[in-house]
Amino acid sequence: EVQLVQSGAEVKRPGATVKISCKVSGYTFTDQYMHWVQQAPGKGLEWMGLVDPEDGETIYVEKFQGRVTLTADTSTDTSYMELSSLRSADTAVYYCATGPDAFDMWGQGTMVTVSS
Amino acid sequence: DIQLTQSPSFLSASVGDRVTITCRASRGISRYLAWYQQKPGTAPKLLIYPASTLQSGVPSRFSGSGSGTEFWLTISSLQPEDVATYFCQQLNSYPRSFGQGTKLEIK
Repeated sequence: EVQLVQSGAEVKRPGATVKISCKVSGYTFTDQYMHWVQQAPGKGLEWMGLVDPEDGETIYVEKFQGRVTLTADTSTDTSYMELSSLRSADTAVYYCATGPDAFDMWGQGTMVTVSS
Repeated sequence: DIQLTQSPSFLSASVGDRVTITCRASRGISRYLAWYQQKPGTAPKLLIYPASTLQSGVPSRFSGSGSGTEFWLTISSLQPEDVATYFCQQLNSYPRSFGQGTKLEIK
């Protein structure tokens, strides 16, 4: 059974950095890109970027460029999303998602709250 | 970047109704379009990709159509368990943009 299991909820101060993990099982980690998606409370889905676990190559959406870092650790089959310089607008659920094309496997989501 | 515009943003219909959601792309994306269903508090679920191919396990009352810039998700006979928000996503180019969502409720 394919599983993407994300780390738990986080509460951060403005200006801080958060790092979320997404551990996969049930498929070959390096076979598919890992994507990350942001969903602010009551809002839609926003694609943040992807990491290729095979070689670490990344693509980021312009909105998060410079603040987000996506990585993949093939020794533990885990992808990470690090978001820096947090502000209140970053309060959201963050999902990892993957699939051969469209996103047919998703993590359960990680809630990040940015509050002073 | 490709923008996706869904309509309507909100839809209220009765059990048994046929409902259709539209997704328009700002430029042609061939058939590289996916539809997702998201219920409150859960991750999105892939229903259809590409354009009209139903994913395994998805009820046959769901169907997708379209190509180029205009796409449709149709539920042939609305069921109570279909209450959710539906999103389209283009996989033609990066960034992988989503539509803003259509919230579907039972009347």
